Amino acid sequence: EPEVTQTPSHQVTQMGQEVILRCVPISNHLYFYWYRQILGQKVEFLVSFYNNEISEKSEIFDDQFSVERPDGSNFTLKIRSTKLEDSAMYFCASRTWTEAFFGQGTRLTVV
Amino acid sequence: SQQGEEDPQALSIQEGENATMNCSYKTSINNLQWYRQNSGRGLVHLILIRSNEREKHSGRLRVTLDTSKKSSSLLITASRAADTASYFCATDARAGNQFYFGTGTSLTVIP
Repeated sequence: EPEVTQTPSHQVTQMGQEVILRCVPISNHLYFYWYRQILGQKVEFLVSFYNNEISEKSEIFDDQFSVERPDGSNFTLKIRSTKLEDSAMYFCASRTWTEAFFGQGTRLTVV
Repeated sequence: SQQGEEDPQALSIQEGENATMNCSYKTSINNLQWYRQNSGRGLVHLILIRSNEREKHSGRLRVTLDTSKKSSSLLITASRAADTASYFCATDARAGNQFYFGTGTSLTVIP
């Protein structure tokens, strides 16, 4: 069964450093998303991406965040200068017209 | 905001009992999905119900949708200890849009 894959599964970074979280969506999907879940809290929408551009973003997705689909398979989330409060699980998702499929997440720890 | 609310926030039952979780949302939806999340892990898609459907079954899962009340319920029958997890509902306003998650119900099944 096709699945969304994310790498790495866990990343530890120092405050102020840049991180890139990587995702490989399901190949025939057209819509891609990043979500964030701070420990013990709900899953929050960050950004959606369609036709090689951002289609919607939340207020969380400020200038320190960017997304890119550098080739036909990868979908990345970059955080330019990480803060302690960026520590969270980050989920990538892709969808058909109906269902959304999520990756297993990348746990980002900012120290 | 479209984000939903689940209730109860936490539910503890004995193995073999049924578990019912409810989700309410605020705006019209296209689809509603239920996800499961084991502690610190990824989101597992359980079941999708479309806005024109009222009930759906998958194994021990039964989902209902009442669009007039903007609510859905997830019933897990004959619960097992392995069902212990958090359960989230997620809704999208229209096809292709991002899903917004509710706050989740933490289910504990006591062996």
